[in-house]
Amino acid sequence: DAGITQSPRHKVTETGTPVTLRCHQTENHRYMYWYRQDPGHGLRLIHYSYGVKDTDKGEVSDGYSVSRSKTEDFLLTLESATSSQTSVYFCAISEGVKGNEQFFGPGTRLTVL
Amino acid sequence: GQNIDQPTEMTATEGAIVQINCTYQTSGFNGLFWYQQHAGEAPTFLSYNVLDGLEEKGRFSSFLSRSKGYSYLLLKELQMKDSASYLCPQRDSGGYQKVTFGTGTKLQVIP
Repeated sequence: DAGITQSPRHKVTETGTPVTLRCHQTENHRYMYWYRQDPGHGLRLIHYSYGVKDTDKGEVSDGYSVSRSKTEDFLLTLESATSSQTSVYFCAISEGVKGNEQFFGPGTRLTVL
Repeated sequence: GQNIDQPTEMTATEGAIVQINCTYQTSGFNGLFWYQQHAGEAPTFLSYNVLDGLEEKGRFSSFLSRSKGYSYLLLKELQMKDSASYLCPQRDSGGYQKVTFGTGTKLQVIP
């Protein structure tokens, strides 16, 4: 199994507070991704990274920012959490060669009250 | 982006064979994956198809027809643990190894 962890695994916060989720990998993979998964919508890409300090927006990036200062860490920040951001957040990594499949972290369940 | 279309739900009997279909947008096709996701867990990779034909991995096989924009996942000798959602994301043509997911097919295996 790919070495990918997410922290925290569960979080409850209040509307308007900032929240940072962390994704950590030990595989030295180049590509990292943040998704959210909601009933009826499947997995939707929030932001992705193709190298240290190289990031770009996905389809649902409003209200989110990311940073990648090291190969192994990809942070997702909700600047001011809203109830619509209550979701399960998955981080994924990809080597970028061969089959290019993405390996997923265990997920973070975020509830914004 | 790509439009992925799969049945929302399916039910099949333990020990049987089930085929889960997936259609996708053919323009800019760059590969298609199959993932399994158990409730409350992360998706796990099953297979990858980029050329026409059948890829077999144990009880699971995946088929691709690029001209028809069609793929299927075939699960043989169904087991109760196969109850899960099955996703067929398409790899984007724009690079950065991005994929586009649909909502998946929720498979329930019954005794």
